Amino acid sequence: GQNIDQPTEMTATEGAIVQINCTYQTSGFNGLFWYQQHAGEAPTFLSYNVLDGLEEKGRFSSFLSRSKGYSYLLLKELQMKDSASYLCAPGEGGYNKLIFGAGTRLAVHP
Amino acid sequence: EAQVTQNPRYLITVTGKKLTVTCSQNMNHEYMSWYRQDPGLGLRQIYYSMNVEVTDKGDVPEGYKVSRKEKRNFPLILESPSPNQTSLYFCASSHSRDSFYEQYFGPGTRLTVT
Repeated sequence: GQNIDQPTEMTATEGAIVQINCTYQTSGFNGLFWYQQHAGEAPTFLSYNVLDGLEEKGRFSSFLSRSKGYSYLLLKELQMKDSASYLCAPGEGGYNKLIFGAGTRLAVHP
Repeated sequence: EAQVTQNPRYLITVTGKKLTVTCSQNMNHEYMSWYRQDPGLGLRQIYYSMNVEVTDKGDVPEGYKVSRKEKRNFPLILESPSPNQTSLYFCASSHSRDSFYEQYFGPGTRLTVT
């Protein structure tokens, strides 16, 4: 079956580092996406991992361990505009099908 | 500008009155998909299309129809809307069916069925 687990809410301070964890169980895993979604807006692409390890992209990094069914998104030098929901989305099957978690709502405060 | 557009952005309707939400992309993408987003449940796929005239059910297709007559358009049809279809709907497109291509999302349509 499909199961994605990520914390519902997190808070952090401006300028700090935060790590958002995601564990998943899917059939036919073929990579994992992270999307950012501001309240009332469309999700936007942040990162994609298909191999184990860390992918770094500016202030954002994403890590994947396929054997453990585990990923995390690391946000550095937090800014107020990073207050948003972060969606973990493993892909399954032989095509572009994503299974979305409920998302982690991150609040960044001064 | 490369984008996915949806119309309308907001809609309040009554039970049983047929409606269509349009979705259009200008990126020549093969793959398009419809999702609904409800609090605490995340995005759930309704229908998807791998190319013109090729559509298939996602995880929650009941009460919805789609068509893909042109590559750029992928309308979502609710023949007889019910209150449990009150939700935030997103259309998305991607270069191809291959899993490593990111999906681009439209701005969303907030539907209320009374």
